[in-house]
Amino acid sequence: RKEVEQDPGPFNVPEGATVAFNCTYSNSASQSFFWYRQDCRKEPKLLMSVYSSGNEDGRFTAQLNRASQYISLLIRDSKLSDSATYLCVVISGSARQLTFGSGTQLTVLP
Amino acid sequence: DAGVTQSPTHLIKTRGQQVTLRCSPKSGHDTVSWYQQALGQGPQFIFQYYEEEERQRGNFPDRFSGHQFPNYSSELNVNALLLGDSALYLCASTSGTRRGEQFFGPGTRLTVL
Repeated sequence: RKEVEQDPGPFNVPEGATVAFNCTYSNSASQSFFWYRQDCRKEPKLLMSVYSSGNEDGRFTAQLNRASQYISLLIRDSKLSDSATYLCVVISGSARQLTFGSGTQLTVLP
Repeated sequence: DAGVTQSPTHLIKTRGQQVTLRCSPKSGHDTVSWYQQALGQGPQFIFQYYEEEERQRGNFPDRFSGHQFPNYSSELNVNALLLGDSALYLCASTSGTRRGEQFFGPGTRLTVL
């Protein structure tokens, strides 16, 4: 079983749609959780941190469920510019090693 | 303020050769991590350097080695290249003391023929 698992997609949605991505992780001792965004042939960039209380940044909402070892990302009112691969990231260990999921590809269609 | 820089941008090698990739961390960062990203996959952790020492290592063979210099820059060396080593190699930096967000460089795209 992979340490971090994501639905690879692709998700093709029309502009304005709401889309949700899910991610599960296997290491119950994981310390921190993030969503990264990666555009085609570019480096990953931090989108937002994920907390148990949930956090929101504009159209983006992230949620963590430690009991179920489950992370989610919700994008409301999708824009064309949201088209990218979204990577679920879990941090664990003293070196704070990042473990990435394989990514979920999103294409927002006009 | 320069972010994380990597060189070269692209590289083509043949099987059995050796390669060295370079990374300069973001200003103020002292910790460098290396990742390998194969096509269609998420980045996989190779190792992390702090205070010129390898602090943690992922599941990669000894053909992958690294080094960190006193100015915090780092090198990734891969010996006896295999076709499967073709990937995007990403360097990420952070501050060891603050353990904050890791910032990624643009990567080096290695093709092994």
